[in-house]
Amino acid sequence: EAQVTQNPRYLITVTGKKLTVTCSQNMNHEYMSWYRQDPGLGLRQIYYSMNVEVTDKGDVPEGYKVSRKEKRNFPLILESPSPNQTSLYFCASIFRLAGVADTQYFGPGTRLTVL
Amino acid sequence: KQEVTQIPAALSVPEGENLVLNCSFTDSAIYNLQWFRQDPGKGLTSLLLIQSSQREQTSGRLNASLDKSSGRSTLYIAASQPGDSATYLCAVHGTSYGKLTFGQGTILTVHP
Repeated sequence: EAQVTQNPRYLITVTGKKLTVTCSQNMNHEYMSWYRQDPGLGLRQIYYSMNVEVTDKGDVPEGYKVSRKEKRNFPLILESPSPNQTSLYFCASIFRLAGVADTQYFGPGTRLTVL
Repeated sequence: KQEVTQIPAALSVPEGENLVLNCSFTDSAIYNLQWFRQDPGKGLTSLLLIQSSQREQTSGRLNASLDKSSGRSTLYIAASQPGDSATYLCAVHGTSYGKLTFGQGTILTVHP
């Protein structure tokens, strides 16, 4: 089954304790992306990756890091989490049919609370 | 910077009614526009995708239109059902590949 998986699904942590949210896709997509969703602000793009070792900033990259060492995985790293990073996080991968269509597949989300 | 706005923010209708959700964007230089559905506590499900060269797409009771020159898209839902209750999100994919901007969504409630 084609899917995007995220772990953990729920996480409560404390300020300053480094954490990693994993994202994995089994569709061999080149493009992957991370978003955060906050009430009243909608979904905002954090980082995206167009292929292995190719990443770029989205609209709200501050406080986050990413890496793309292999095509299937795109982890999101919070080196020193702060309460303003409390949010619902989504990972997505894109199927791209050049010049025809791009379809985004979203993971189930990770609800992060930073105390 | 691309900005995407969705109107209305919330909509409550009786079952069976036809309805229209609106999405507007400020930069008409887009690659495509996508409509998503999000159920409470869940991820996003893609409903329809319209390429910048297309005017509309249809899937079952859903029809999405795109007027790139005016920066508008509409999602038309025919014969609404309680199972259609969800948040509907519009997202614009800019010509700089990889850049996706979402609207804040319309919360739809269809009551029996």
